[in-house]
Amino acid sequence: SYELTQPLSVSVALGQTARITCGGNNIGSKNVHWYQQKPGQAPVLVIYRDSNRPSGIPERFSGSNSGNTATLTISRAQAGDEADYYCQVWDSSTEVFGGGTKLTVL
Amino acid sequence: QVQLQESGPGLVKPSQTLSLTCTVSGGSISSGGYYWSWIRQHPGKGLEWIGYIYYSGSTYYNPSLKSRVTISVDTSKNQFSLKLSSVTAADTAVYYCARVVGSAIHWFDPWGQGTLVTVSS
Repeated sequence: SYELTQPLSVSVALGQTARITCGGNNIGSKNVHWYQQKPGQAPVLVIYRDSNRPSGIPERFSGSNSGNTATLTISRAQAGDEADYYCQVWDSSTEVFGGGTKLTVL
Repeated sequence: QVQLQESGPGLVKPSQTLSLTCTVSGGSISSGGYYWSWIRQHPGKGLEWIGYIYYSGSTYYNPSLKSRVTISVDTSKNQFSLKLSSVTAADTAVYYCARVVGSAIHWFDPWGQGTLVTVSS
């Protein structure tokens, strides 16, 4: 089965840029989606199809995907961006999620 | 905008069947164009896709759960449901329902608030 690998945690200084990676075999050939989940809340879609932002998601959120790594980039990080972030792809008739990354804003 | 709300028992005994319902508001399941999905999250863990259904009744299930899962739809009530049989403590999780967007490529948006189901005697 296809596996997505995310770092357990990422830290970023307030106002700086955070990058959260999602690794998978030739993931660049797939479409990757990203979700933000704050404590006690349901996940919220922040990026779909590698780099598209749903309405209402700040431009500070962006995504890229190439080779074996997809990346969610959060520019000018704010305290409100502290959350768990999950990547997701479709592979072999299964929706697959990464293990999640906890983003801490220092 | 579309909103989803899960409902069902919060406690299920081992070996019994877990049953949950998702009520959709702000949009009609029978209008087509979307699949409707169940996803779960074990306590303190990541997300696991369970399966999804189209208004016509067409379903796709996670192979790891397929033998125990049934997802059904009731368009008259604008609801879809999850049944998971022969549950064990390992099925204790927060269960989310979500709309599936996209045709060949799918993402989930929006999600319900989730409901915690505990499997315990």
